[in-house]
Order: sequence, then C-alpha cells, then structure tokens
Amino acid sequence: QKEVEQNSGPLSVPEGAIASLNCTYSDRVSQSFFWYRQYSGKSPELIMSIYSNGDKEDGRFTAQLNKASQYVSLLIRDSQPSDSATYLCAVNESGGSYIPTFGRGTSLIVHP
Amino acid sequence: NAGVTQTPKFQVLKTGQSMTLQCAQDMNHNSMYWYRQDPGMGLRLIYYSASEGTTDKGEVPNGYNVSRLNKREFSLRLESAAPSQTSVYFCASSEGRFEQFFGPGTRLTVL
Repeated sequence: QKEVEQNSGPLSVPEGAIASLNCTYSDRVSQSFFWYRQYSGKSPELIMSIYSNGDKEDGRFTAQLNKASQYVSLLIRDSQPSDSATYLCAVNESGGSYIPTFGRGTSLIVHP
Repeated sequence: NAGVTQTPKFQVLKTGQSMTLQCAQDMNHNSMYWYRQDPGMGLRLIYYSASEGTTDKGEVPNGYNVSRLNKREFSLRLESAAPSQTSVYFCASSEGRFEQFFGPGTRLTVL
C-alpha cells in the first residue's frame, strides 16, 4: 500500500514568517510530486509540481524534493493570511497509470 | 475554457434513491477521476478512467458505478444511496504524469 504522510497540523505562523510543510512517501520509484492548496469549501488547486531532486521556486513558494530520503517539502516565504488553507501533498505512481496518492493534508493558519 | 465542470453543486437524497453526478472536461485529457472527501480522511479515489473506454476501481468503489461516456465526460452513479455516502465529491482530469485539475465539487447529503 503506497502511503503519503503529512502532519495534519494546524501549523500556525505569524504574518511575514516562513511556513514549512513536509511530506514523506513510501513508493521509492515515484516520479511526480505535487502540492495543492485547498481553501475551506473549495476544490484543490495546484501550487507547485516538482519532478527532479532539488529545489524549485515560484514566487513566494519553493518546493524541495529529496528522493533518497523520500520526502518533499513546501516553503512559503512572507506568509500572508490569504495563505491560510489546507495543503495537500500528492505523489504519482510510476509507470503507465500515474494514479496519484494524496496525503491527508496540513492545515496552515497565518495570523496577523 | 471552463476546465472541469461538475453538476449538480448540491444534492439531498433519501436513503435508497439513485442519482448520477456528471463531470466534463475541455482540456483534452485522457485520464479522469472521481474522489470523495470526508473530514479528516483526505481525498479517496472511488474510480478512475485512464483513457476513453476504460474504467478501474480505486480505493473505495463499493456502492458506486461509473461511465466514461466519451473523452470529455465521466459520470458517477449511486444506485441506492446510503447515509455513509454523504460526502463532497470531486471530479478531476489529468494528462500523463502531470498535475490534476479539479472540478468545483458536489456536496451530497443522504438522509
């Protein structure tokens, strides 16, 4: 059974701080990794995708992938109250089907 | 470009009633998915369709059926609704190893 683990939180950070969200996965041959943001009552939307080891930056967001240690993280710099949401980590199976496995999500609260 | 659309947005059923949730995507994606999301449980895969003409069970298929009508449309049917099927249902689509795009969801209550 493939597993994706996230700390459910809530993770509470002050406005302007760096929020660090972590995710570990069990399938060593996974190829594709995603972070989705989900506001309460809304559907998930993609924040970042990462496919190779290292860091990938997009604005205030940085995704970090370490395949040897089987973890992927998301850093949010200069956190804003509008970043308050649940962040879902997803990992795609390798091979032809690419069926994603989702973590249960980490709740982030950014307080003014 | 509407992305992924779902109907209805809200539905209330009585135990034993049937209904079909509709999903359509306009991104020419091969793969489509149905998930349910319950508090504390995350997204759980009900059924998926890797390509037009194929469907496969996911993690929680019992009580559901699906139809991949064509490349654009993927429907989810509840034949005899039960209170345990009260949930929020999301349809999603994707292409290959790339990210999924989600519809707005259907909030279903079974009394």
